[in-house]
Formats: sequence, C-alpha cells, structure tokens
Amino acid sequence: NAGVTQTPKFQVLKTGQSMTLQCAQDMNHNSMYWYRQDPGMGLRLIYYSASEGTTDKGEVPNGYNVSRLNKREFSLRLESAAPSQTSVYFCASVKTGTGGSPLHFGNGTRLTVT
Amino acid sequence: SQQGEEDPQALSIQEGENATMNCSYKTSINNLQWYRQNSGRGLVHLILIRSNEREKHSGRLRVTLDTSKKSSSLLITASRAADTASYFCATDVGGNNRLAFGKGNQVVVIP
Repeated sequence: NAGVTQTPKFQVLKTGQSMTLQCAQDMNHNSMYWYRQDPGMGLRLIYYSASEGTTDKGEVPNGYNVSRLNKREFSLRLESAAPSQTSVYFCASVKTGTGGSPLHFGNGTRLTVT
Repeated sequence: SQQGEEDPQALSIQEGENATMNCSYKTSINNLQWYRQNSGRGLVHLILIRSNEREKHSGRLRVTLDTSKKSSSLLITASRAADTASYFCATDVGGNNRLAFGKGNQVVVIP
C-alpha cells in the first residue's frame, strides 16, 4: 500500500519554464489537496478537490492550476515558474470531505526556481 | 492567513523528559489536529480533537483543547530520540477538512 505518491521528488526550473507536479493515491480517497511549505510559514493550501470532477481555490492559488484527472490523481501545474514559487509542495488526501478525518500526505516535491 | 500559531517555536529536551507545545487560533473551529513531520518527509497525523472535547489521549500523547481561550496543547510524555521532529497544529474551521496549519514547533530530543 503506497499511500500518496508524488513525483518528481526534486526539480529545478528556470524562471518562465512550466512543469506539472504529479500526485496519486491508492486509498480510494475522495478529497485531495495541494499545499506548499515555506520556511517559517507552515503549510498553505493552494488548491483542493473535494471529489472527482471538482476543484476549488485555497489560500494561495495564484500562479497555479490543477487537474483532478480521476479519483486517484490530482496534478498541480506551474505555467510560468517564478522564484517566489520555490518551495516544498505536498499533496494530501482524505477519505471524505466532511470534517474529522486525518489527512494523508505524500513526501513532497522540492522545487527550486532560479 | 495562518490559523494556528504554535508556541514555543523550538524545544530541546533530554530523553525521558516531557515536551509541551501550545497552539492558538483565531476563529471557531470544528476540530483541531496535530501532525508530526520528520526531516525531509511528509506530515503524519497524530491526533484529532473535536470542538466539543476537552482532552484526548493516544499512547504517550495528550492533547487538550480550550475553546474559550482558542488554544490547544500537545504533551509528549517520556520523550524518545525518535520523537525529534517538527510538530504542527491544524484547524478545521468549516468541518470540510480544509485545514489551516500553524508554523510548527521543532522538537529535538537529546539521547
């Protein structure tokens, strides 16, 4: 049981380049999330998908797009990377969108934009 | 905006001692959760306490919640070197699992 798998683990981009961060979960969870973690800032929600076919903005959505490809997969796209997007990105999933369930996290993608 | 604010930010203790971390928040919540993050890894869920609960235990973990003060504390008893990690509180305001995380406490347990 792999849980939440994120690829790639590390990535270096030049300003203006684009890339897609991939996330897949094998726990049959309904809701999926993308967070970014910056030093001293904790985790901030970028986008989330309460269920297959739906996506919504979180706290810091600017510069990102997402796709809920199917129930298992939720990708995050940077169309034109900026140095301010240098961060560690975490994908998470949960069985249900109603409160009171723990989130399951992947091990993160460490992105550097130069 | 950050909902949770942990205090203190960094803690260094000897193995066997207890570690206490605090978290405050600004708005009413549905539940509050604590997570652990080991270096270079994702977050792992530790314990969840609902707004109508005041205290909860799980193994060596004890969580309290004071909704009148909008604060929570996490106590790790008899700490071990393996408890070295960052600990985050997260609040669920709307009951929809859209968690708002605090900035984290770094705990170092010295063998």
